[in-house]
Amino acid sequence: QVQLVQSGSELKKPGASVKVSCKASGYTFTSYAMNWVRQAPGQGLEWMGWINTNTGNPTYAQGFTGRFVFSLDTSVSTAYLQISSLKAEDTAVYYCARDGGFGAYNWFDPWGQGTLVTVSS
Amino acid sequence: IRMTQSPSSISASPGDRVTITCRASQYIDNHLAWYQQKVGGAPKLLISGASTLQGDVPSRFSADGSGTTFTLTINCQQSEDFATYYCQQYYTYPYTFGQGTDLEVK
Repeated sequence: QVQLVQSGSELKKPGASVKVSCKASGYTFTSYAMNWVRQAPGQGLEWMGWINTNTGNPTYAQGFTGRFVFSLDTSVSTAYLQISSLKAEDTAVYYCARDGGFGAYNWFDPWGQGTLVTVSS
Repeated sequence: IRMTQSPSSISASPGDRVTITCRASQYIDNHLAWYQQKVGGAPKLLISGASTLQGDVPSRFSADGSGTTFTLTINCQQSEDFATYYCQQYYTYPYTFGQGTDLEVK
């Protein structure tokens, strides 16, 4: 079945970097775009942007430029989110979510299980 | 595009009919999805295209709307439906979510 499996929880100090992985299975990885969504503790869902899994071209939402990088390793059907210069306010659960259809402008289905990133000294 | 859900929370008993409304600040055609998120879990797609129920979603869920106003209805809701529900527009970037509606036990 179509599945996204993310890497485990991370505890990082302010100023450090973190790389979250999202491994896809059950479909052709390069056929669907991949999105990233943030959920701060007790808060709602915030779309961070998406990456074209064919070209590797990322698009970042406002507020997620500079310290956030989306990347791919298509040989292992995996998408990555790297966050550098971590701040306490980056503490959140980060989800990868596949586009639900082909082409532009899609819903998200399925979602990864989420990766909790905690930034604390 | 700002997405506004109402109510923010709702208390209901099993068997009740529950309706959640989602309003977009501008026209989004039918490019609206609904998700369910249980405590500690990832969001799960319920509805795409404003009214298309996903294959594994019980038929007690239904949704409607187009343009700027949308509704999600749960008929005879069951205990496993207690969760947070989010709407999301995918008409244009940046994609945006409603703030969520908590469905709680009365």
